[in-house]
Amino acid sequence: AQKITQTQPGMFVQEKEAVTLDCTYDTSDQSYGLFWYKQPSSGEMIFLIYQGSYDEQNATEGRYSLNFQKARKSANLVISASQLGDSAMYFCAMRERTSGSRLTFGEGTQLTVNP
Amino acid sequence: DTAVSQTPKYLVTQMGNDKSIKCEQNLGHDTMYWYKQDSKKFLKIMFSYNNKELIINETVPNRFSPKSPDKAHLNLHINSLELGDSAVYFCASSLRGGLKETQYFGPGTRLLVL
Repeated sequence: AQKITQTQPGMFVQEKEAVTLDCTYDTSDQSYGLFWYKQPSSGEMIFLIYQGSYDEQNATEGRYSLNFQKARKSANLVISASQLGDSAMYFCAMRERTSGSRLTFGEGTQLTVNP
Repeated sequence: DTAVSQTPKYLVTQMGNDKSIKCEQNLGHDTMYWYKQDSKKFLKIMFSYNNKELIINETVPNRFSPKSPDKAHLNLHINSLELGDSAVYFCASSLRGGLKETQYFGPGTRLLVL
């Protein structure tokens, strides 16, 4: 079974608007961490934001926030005030306590920001 | 001031050849990883080393052999390259620590096997 599911292969948003990228996960661990990475067309993987399973508050980092709904096993990334430079592939990933240090990635969502 | 560096950035080679990719990190991390990103952009872990000890070894053909001379370096050697090995290979590093230890990625090595 897929551990990380990103159901949106592609998303479009107008510049300056907010966009939500969906991520659902599947784990039987009580302790896990969720990460979002950005991969622009240049190819590098850039860490954006982290949410721990026991964190009571949703993580925020600048224009990025994570809408964490533990009961639904979802960890959606919200990008506010989109910029043209936000156009990239976005990956959701999970680390489970029982899986050591490995990250399991979703298939990614290609975000395009239109001017 | 590169945190995680990989060489080469591009690698074009013929089937059957042997090649190596080198990775170095200057973040003081104790754990390093190799990931493979296929043509559909799917990322999958291959190996992980902690303080020169192999801790993750996914189901990878034994033509792939990682080597960690010290905790700042992790190299990947590939024997008898096949067409299906064409992919982007990412090195990453982190502290082993807890769940929140972030993995920082290198720029990737784009391997094309002809």
